[in-house]
Amino acid sequence: EAQVTQNPRYLITVTGKKLTVTCSQNMNHEYMSWYRQDPGLGLRQIYYSMNVEVTDKGDVPEGYKVSRKEKRNFPLILESPSPNQTSLYFCASSLRGLSYEQYFGPGTRLTVT
Amino acid sequence: AQRVTQPEKLLSVFKGAPVELKCNYSYSGSPELFWYVQYSRQRLQLLLRHISRESIKGFTADLNKGETSFHLKKPFAQEEDSAMYYCAIYQGAQKLVFGQGTRLTINP
Repeated sequence: EAQVTQNPRYLITVTGKKLTVTCSQNMNHEYMSWYRQDPGLGLRQIYYSMNVEVTDKGDVPEGYKVSRKEKRNFPLILESPSPNQTSLYFCASSLRGLSYEQYFGPGTRLTVT
Repeated sequence: AQRVTQPEKLLSVFKGAPVELKCNYSYSGSPELFWYVQYSRQRLQLLLRHISRESIKGFTADLNKGETSFHLKKPFAQEEDSAMYYCAIYQGAQKLVFGQGTRLTINP
């Protein structure tokens, strides 16, 4: 089944403890993105990638890192999580860029205490 | 920066009644606009793009450049339309900006 997967789906962690949220797609898409969803703010773009080794910042990149070593994977790294990064995170992929249909993962709910 | 505004956080209508979810945007160029929908326990998914001019699940959205709006409409609401709806604008350079979202509830 063509899809975007994220792991873990739920995570509770403490301030400062490095974590990685994985994202993988099996559709051979070139474009991948990370978003965070917060009440009243909708989805905000954190980072995006146009292909392997090509990444760029979105609107809210502070406190996050990404890497794209393989086409299918686009992990989101929080080197030193803080409580303001408590949020619902979505990964998405698309074949030809963000002006085309985005396929979203199921979401990862992160709580930083 | 370009913005997308969905003025209603919550919208509740009765089954069979018309539905209109509002979306206003600010953009200086030719916008590319989308409606995404998230049904309960499902992933966020594309509902329609203005450029395709399609009607999906009975929904349509017309781009009004004069009013800078892209309202989503359906003449007769169904219970399965209950969901969270997001308007989004592509502003170039791989930047996609979403509105705050509107939670639509269809009452039986």
